[in-house]
Amino acid sequence: AQSVTQLGSHVSVSEGALVLLRCNYSSSVPPYLFWYVQYPNQGLQLLLKYTSAATLVKGINGFEAEFKKSETSFHLTKPSAHMSDAAEYFCAVSATAAGNKLTFGGGTRVLVKP
Amino acid sequence: GAGVSQTPSNKVTEKGKYVELRCDPISGHTALYWYRQSLGQGPEFLIYFQGTGAADDSGLPNDRFFAVRPEGSVSTLKIQRTERGDSAVYLCASSWARTDTQYFGPGTRLTVL
Repeated sequence: AQSVTQLGSHVSVSEGALVLLRCNYSSSVPPYLFWYVQYPNQGLQLLLKYTSAATLVKGINGFEAEFKKSETSFHLTKPSAHMSDAAEYFCAVSATAAGNKLTFGGGTRVLVKP
Repeated sequence: GAGVSQTPSNKVTEKGKYVELRCDPISGHTALYWYRQSLGQGPEFLIYFQGTGAADDSGLPNDRFFAVRPEGSVSTLKIQRTERGDSAVYLCASSWARTDTQYFGPGTRLTVL
């Protein structure tokens, strides 16, 4: 079984500051890990994914995440926040790469202050 | 190309009524998923189709929920005897069978009064 914990349901950052969203997972098998972003009234959009290749994963819109097996973590970062980054972010885990259900964390809502 | 579409975008119904929610996946995607997102929570898996068959329905909460995909494309999620606790956003996603990226639709917001 898999589970995901996202620390902090709300994060507030200033424009231009570092964005750090925390995700810890639990999995009985080597996990596949994902970050999705959800803008208001829109569907979930994939930011990036880890599928057992490089541990540092680069995604869209300047985001990246690092898989740390020893810490069971997959934290999401962006060096400089932009107003357009205001959204809700979800971390998810899957037991296999293809054709399997995603288990999501509770989400972190990001507010960007000018 | 067109993404995953879901209809209706909003559905308001009364307790005890029957509802159907429709999902049109991306053309050619053989895998289709349904999730439910309650207010303030992350999406929860309901059911996964590979082609026409339900490969995993372990997330369906009870026998009031049922989903079909008769021709391996469009899927319908059916809820009988709706309860107020069924109020949520129902999300559909699709993917190619051999890849790991699920593409999500905008969801159907179901409100049970």
